[in-house]
Amino acid sequence: AQSVTQLDSQVPVFEEAPVELRCNYSSSVSVYLFWYVQYPNQGLQLLLKYLSGSTLVKGINGFEAEFNKSQTSFHLRKPSVHISDTAEYFCAVRPNNAGNMLTFGGGTRLMVKP
Amino acid sequence: GAGVSQSPRYKVAKRGQDVALRCDPISGHVSLFWYQQALGQGPEFLTYFQNEAQLDKSGLPSDRFFAERPEGSVSTLKIQRTQQEDSAVYLCASSSGGQGSPLHFGNGTRLTVT
Repeated sequence: AQSVTQLDSQVPVFEEAPVELRCNYSSSVSVYLFWYVQYPNQGLQLLLKYLSGSTLVKGINGFEAEFNKSQTSFHLRKPSVHISDTAEYFCAVRPNNAGNMLTFGGGTRLMVKP
Repeated sequence: GAGVSQSPRYKVAKRGQDVALRCDPISGHVSLFWYQQALGQGPEFLTYFQNEAQLDKSGLPSDRFFAERPEGSVSTLKIQRTQQEDSAVYLCASSSGGQGSPLHFGNGTRLTVT
């Protein structure tokens, strides 16, 4: 079984400041890792994914994430946030040996202030 | 259409009523998932189809919940004798089924049981 922990339920930040949203996971098998963003009253949109290879993954809207196997982390970063980045962000894992089910963390609400 | 389509977008049901929620996946996607998202939480897995076969229904919370995908395309999630604790957003997602292929989510159906 897998589990995902997003330690910060809310992250307030000023516009143009850098931000890091933390994600740690637990799994008995190797996993694929994903970050999704959810805007109000909408479904989830894929930001980026890690399958294999380079541990630094770049996604849409200027976001990037780094996979750290020893720390079982997959933190999301952006060097300079915009007001439009205000949304809920979800980290998710999926076993890479079989099955397709995504397990999500509880989410982090990013609040960008002017 | 280009994305996953869910209907209705909003549903209000009186306690004890039956409801049916529809999902139209992306054309050609073999995998289809249903998730339940309570207010302020991450999505929780309900069930998974590969084509018309329901391969995993371990997340369905009770026998009042039933899902089908008879022709391997459109899926319906049915909830019988709705209870207040069923109030949530129900998300449908589809994927091509390839290893590491991301899930594409619909905008969800917000169910409110009064």
